[in-house]
Amino acid sequence: KAGVTQTPRYLIKTRGQQVTLSCSPISGHRSVSWYQQTPGQGLQFLFEYFSETQRNKGNFPGRFSGRQFSNSRSEMNVSTLELGDSALYLCASSPGQGSLGYEQYFGPGTRLTVT
Amino acid sequence: DAKTTQPTSMDCAEGRAANLPCNHSTISGNEYVYWYRQIHSQGPQYIIHGLKNNETNEMASLIITEDRKSSTLILPHATLRDTAVYYCIVRVAQAGTALIFGKGTTLSVSS
Repeated sequence: KAGVTQTPRYLIKTRGQQVTLSCSPISGHRSVSWYQQTPGQGLQFLFEYFSETQRNKGNFPGRFSGRQFSNSRSEMNVSTLELGDSALYLCASSPGQGSLGYEQYFGPGTRLTVT
Repeated sequence: DAKTTQPTSMDCAEGRAANLPCNHSTISGNEYVYWYRQIHSQGPQYIIHGLKNNETNEMASLIITEDRKSSTLILPHATLRDTAVYYCIVRVAQAGTALIFGKGTTLSVSS
């Protein structure tokens, strides 16, 4: 099975711009979660989508949003970029069955640099 | 979700077993212990999880104490490629997929 793919892998944007990142989960997986990783804050949960619905949300401002399509692919958008948004953005997919335990499979991430 | 405590860093010689401890003294009865690792500049990788019984898979073994207040991840024969940050996470299984990552343990394997 192909793994989780994220595009683009690297991105440079200017303060005030907006950005859209894309994630394709493992085939058959219906849940996609997004995380932000910075040296200062570590790995932080952004939000989770399951069957096109946001199921859970972390403590991030409304500038961070996402959506999921019927094929389970997901996008996240950050508007009005700030320098502090520079980070590695990771996407993870899981079957989303919610039974005994989740294993999440992470993609390689998108490295966003805001200048 | 219960809070976990891990050592900041550990060293291990190549070929030896790496034993990574995790304390989770406030764990609830329905919370699982998960282990992930992150090799530099890559996405985290799921290793193993368990509730109360010891678990083993092709990557590692997970030993959970009888009172479930601590656990140990064991890499039986560490290689240089096992150098990574290892995260111990405790959470309820059905609470969505959100993982709360702490600082983890940086394991350095040397030859």
